[in-house]
Amino acid sequence: SQQGEEDPQALSIQEGENATMNCSYKTSINNLQWYRQNSGRGLVHLILIRSNEREKHSGRLRVTLDTSKKSSSLLITASRAADTASYFCAPINQAGTALIFGKGTTLSVSS
Amino acid sequence: DVKVTQSSRYLVKRTGEKVFLECVQDMDHENMFWYRQDPGLGLRLIYFSYDVKMKEKGDIPEGYSVSREKKERFSLILESASTNQTSMYLCASRKKTGGASNQPQHFGDGTRLSIL
Repeated sequence: SQQGEEDPQALSIQEGENATMNCSYKTSINNLQWYRQNSGRGLVHLILIRSNEREKHSGRLRVTLDTSKKSSSLLITASRAADTASYFCAPINQAGTALIFGKGTTLSVSS
Repeated sequence: DVKVTQSSRYLVKRTGEKVFLECVQDMDHENMFWYRQDPGLGLRLIYFSYDVKMKEKGDIPEGYSVSREKKERFSLILESASTNQTSMYLCASRKKTGGASNQPQHFGDGTRLSIL
């Protein structure tokens, strides 16, 4: 299956703390994408990491990819209440068809 | 910015009705997708379209059909609505790439559909 599986299912932290979410997948990939979904809204693309990259940064986001372990992690540093959302990973294989999403990690950041 | 617009945020229909969910994107994207999202099940792909008049079944196409007569519009049709089709429906679009897709998907805000 091309589906990614996020872990943990739920995460609760205080503002200012770092949040780490993990994603595991089973097939070879071309790239892996992370998305955020605020309650009642659509998904928003956050970051894409290619299979030949090991780490990528975008603002307070840091994504790592370990293709040997078929896993990725998303780190949000200095979290804010506005980061409260569900986060999804989507591994993309060579065929690059439709994204298949897992069940996501629900992050709650309290002030 | 890409804008994907779904015609209704909330919709209530009755069992047996034929239901149309409309999605329009304004960035000339070739690829379009329909998902449904249910608690505990995540997002599941219903249908997708690589380009005009093309369609491919996703993981759960039963009870649904789609129409892509124009590039900017992708319609999801519930042929005879049933209560188990009560769900959040999300539409997305993506620019076509030559090989494996390195393009992000852009989502609409969803239609929360209730079938009574």
